[in-house]
Amino acid sequence: NFMLNQPHSVSESPGKTVTISCTGSSGRIASNYVQWYQQRPGSAPTTVIYEDNQRPSGVPDRFSGSIDSSSNSASLTISGLKTEDEADYYCQSYDSTNVIFGGGTRLTVL
Amino acid sequence: QVQLQESGPGLVKASETLSLTCTVSGAPIDSFFWSWIRQSPGKGLEWIGYMFNSVSTSYNPSLKSRVTMAVETSKSQFSLRVSSVTAADTAVYYCARRLGANWFDTWGRGTQVTVSS
Repeated sequence: NFMLNQPHSVSESPGKTVTISCTGSSGRIASNYVQWYQQRPGSAPTTVIYEDNQRPSGVPDRFSGSIDSSSNSASLTISGLKTEDEADYYCQSYDSTNVIFGGGTRLTVL
Repeated sequence: QVQLQESGPGLVKASETLSLTCTVSGAPIDSFFWSWIRQSPGKGLEWIGYMFNSVSTSYNPSLKSRVTMAVETSKSQFSLRVSSVTAADTAVYYCARRLGANWFDTWGRGTQVTVSS
């Protein structure tokens, strides 16, 4: 079964840049689009990146997404970190029969 | 502005059937794919399935034998039924709209469902 692996947690200081990785367990992650969702405590997820690198309306351009085929991974980069960015972040993709979420990464902004 | 609202019993007995409804406003329900996603306590997100007009459905292979989704167009609602529930089905259940290449642009606030023994 295709899986997406994320680091359990990352931390960085306000104003800095952080990158969260999402590595495919098999196949080519570049074959299907990757999305990223932000989930603050007690709230539903919201989309910050869709179709690898597209930002929904209202998401600041501090958020960016990319794909690295050589490492079979996707990345979410957040620049100019703010305390409000502290949340869980989930990557998501799909294969022929399933929609898959990564296990999530807890971002701490300290 | 599209809005989704989940509703249904918060407590279900083990071995019985979990039933939830999602009410859609701000978008024609017969023009989009609609999905259910759940999140177990302290865990990550798990896709349950999606459907289009009750005609085209796709379910998570691990849940497929127990899941049914349907649309009631006249009420702008879609539903989820999970049969033979166990404690492992205890979770917050979200309904969401699926767009394009399998991404979810709008989510409900979620509803907690607990399976009791």
